[in-house]
Amino acid sequence: AQKVTQAQTEISVVEKEDVTLDCVYETRDTTYYLFWYKQPPSGELVFLIRRNSFDEQNEISGRYSWNFQKSTSSFNFTITASQVVDSAVYFCALAPSTGGFKTIFGAGTRLFVKA
Amino acid sequence: DTGVSQDPRHKITKRGQNVTFRCDPISEHNRLYWYRQTLGQGPEFLTYFQNEAQLEKSRLLSDRFSAERPKGSFSTLEIQRTEQGDSAMYLCASSLSTGGMRTQYFGPGTRLLVL
Repeated sequence: AQKVTQAQTEISVVEKEDVTLDCVYETRDTTYYLFWYKQPPSGELVFLIRRNSFDEQNEISGRYSWNFQKSTSSFNFTITASQVVDSAVYFCALAPSTGGFKTIFGAGTRLFVKA
Repeated sequence: DTGVSQDPRHKITKRGQNVTFRCDPISEHNRLYWYRQTLGQGPEFLTYFQNEAQLEKSRLLSDRFSAERPKGSFSTLEIQRTEQGDSAMYLCASSLSTGGMRTQYFGPGTRLLVL
């Protein structure tokens, strides 16, 4: 079975706090891709990052960083020094490389950043 | 380079009516996907095309749903005899298929309300 679990439904932080969004996935595929998308109130899904299963290097992009750990099937996302504009719903997603190209999304984590 | 566009952005219809949505992908993308997103959930895969060929359909796509991509460019999603349970956001995404690229870029969605 292919599944993505985002256990945190909502997180509320005060501006400038660091926040980590958790993502745990399940797949039997050895080759797969993982993604994070942001969905602001406007509704459009904005692509943030893609990793493939053979690349466990952590990545940093500005205030965003991602920690991929294959051993625990986790792909967590950290926002450093959060800002009000970071308020959105964040989705983690899994795309197996074989057997079709559908992307399986988690239920999302709604992040509120208060000024 | 324009992004994925969808039309209309909002649609209100009465139960039993037919509706059709259009998606225009990023011009060089040969894959096109349809997803459905209900409140508080992540997007769920419906179907995808490679060029004009519809290659996979989810079990979510009942007989009342049909999707086409006649010339491998824009796509339409039609829902016949709409039901209240069809109320959702319908998202379109596109991607390339070469070089293992599977990042899907999403449009703004069409929000459907069936009364």
